[in-house]
Amino acid sequence: DAKTTQPPSMDCAEGRAANLPCNHSTISGNEYVYWYRQIHSQGPQYIIHGLKNNETNEMASLIITEDRKSSTLILPHATLRDTAVYYCIVIGGLGSQGNLIFGKGTKLSVKP
Amino acid sequence: DAGVIQSPRHEVTEMGQEVTLRCKPISGHDYLFWYRQTMMRGLELLIYFNNNVPIDDSGMPEDRFSAKMPNASFSTLKIQPSEPRDSAVYFCASTQLANHLETQYFGPGTRLLVL
Repeated sequence: DAKTTQPPSMDCAEGRAANLPCNHSTISGNEYVYWYRQIHSQGPQYIIHGLKNNETNEMASLIITEDRKSSTLILPHATLRDTAVYYCIVIGGLGSQGNLIFGKGTKLSVKP
Repeated sequence: DAGVIQSPRHEVTEMGQEVTLRCKPISGHDYLFWYRQTMMRGLELLIYFNNNVPIDDSGMPEDRFSAKMPNASFSTLKIQPSEPRDSAVYFCASTQLANHLETQYFGPGTRLLVL
């Protein structure tokens, strides 16, 4: 699986958009970009994933650059409950068995 | 749907005792995963099942660990005998093939402390 690089921490004002970057320069053609988050004392929570195209769901939007070497997770209107550690994972493709390996992630603090 | 259900939520036991963790996956999901999370090692996959059959148990640390899935709605992870280094948060997750295996839904976890 390709390695990802994320900033260790970010702050965001409540109600504003939170833009969380991720670099994955060694991603291979059949690997997906996944985002999970973990709120303190809770289990990891799936957010969104994508391959090439930008994706949007009820939780967030995922913007993947054309060369696929980086991506940005966007929480359009961050709330205090979005305070969590956000993990960007590159995984999938042939032979993938769903083994999620979380790096250190980005600790997002949403402030009033 | 209630999501993935795990019990107990907290377990404190003494070294040498048997510990059994339980998981009920989301109805209709045919894959079930057991993970362990510690500060030192992060999230580690222990074992996963497909249609109640263990597929990959290479992450199970020792013979002291065993997992079963007697039916589609129940799985157990047993540690016997337990040791202090087993202290961790144990998560169960489930998914279905139609989702991609990487789209997993996690339970709240069981916090295990072995004294």
